[in-house]
Amino acid sequence: EVQLLESGGGLVQPGGSLRLSCTASGFTFNSYGMSWVRQAPGKGLEWVSGISGSGGSTYYADSVKGRFTISRDNSKNTLYLQMNSLRAEDTAVYYCAKDVGSGMPDAFDVWGQGTMVTVSS
Amino acid sequence: QSVLTQPPSASGTPGQRVTISCSGSSSNIGSNYVFWYQQLPGTAPKLLIDRNNQRPSGVPDRFSGSKSGTSASLAISGLRSEDEADYYCAAWDDSLSRYVFGTGTKVTVL
Repeated sequence: EVQLLESGGGLVQPGGSLRLSCTASGFTFNSYGMSWVRQAPGKGLEWVSGISGSGGSTYYADSVKGRFTISRDNSKNTLYLQMNSLRAEDTAVYYCAKDVGSGMPDAFDVWGQGTMVTVSS
Repeated sequence: QSVLTQPPSASGTPGQRVTISCSGSSSNIGSNYVFWYQQLPGTAPKLLIDRNNQRPSGVPDRFSGSKSGTSASLAISGLRSEDEADYYCAAWDDSLSRYVFGTGTKVTVL
């Protein structure tokens, strides 16, 4: 069964850091691009960042560029999102999502259950 | 703010046909594929329509997508109570170099 499992969410103070992980199973991880998508409480979906299957290409939303870093370890079938200089507006459920292709973000056909990140003092 | 605009809500009675619009520009819908996602209450989104009008395996043929110029539409025919959800369009934007979601439409079955 194709599955994505996020972890690493929690409560962090403004200016703090957090690293999210997404462990994949049931498919050839390095053949597919991956993305992080977030959803603030009661709000719509916002794409955050994406990475190609090889890890050689990364993409970021302007709202997180310079603060967040996406990476992947294909030997561990794991996707990461390092989040620094966190702000209150980063509070959201963060989903990892599998792309149908190996390159730039396309259609996301598999989603994790999400992990909540709360930025508050 | 999103560059893809959707109506905030849509509704219909069981069996009716509901259409949701998604308005963009030449740098997103006008030059790239459009995708549609369904998000049931309290759950993760689900891919509903791929590449403008392709239904992934398991998606009922009651759902259909279309695209014309810089706009796209999702139609739900034979509306059912389980279709109550939020629906989002999405596309890659060449000018912004990022993936963009629409503002989202809440569908209510009356």
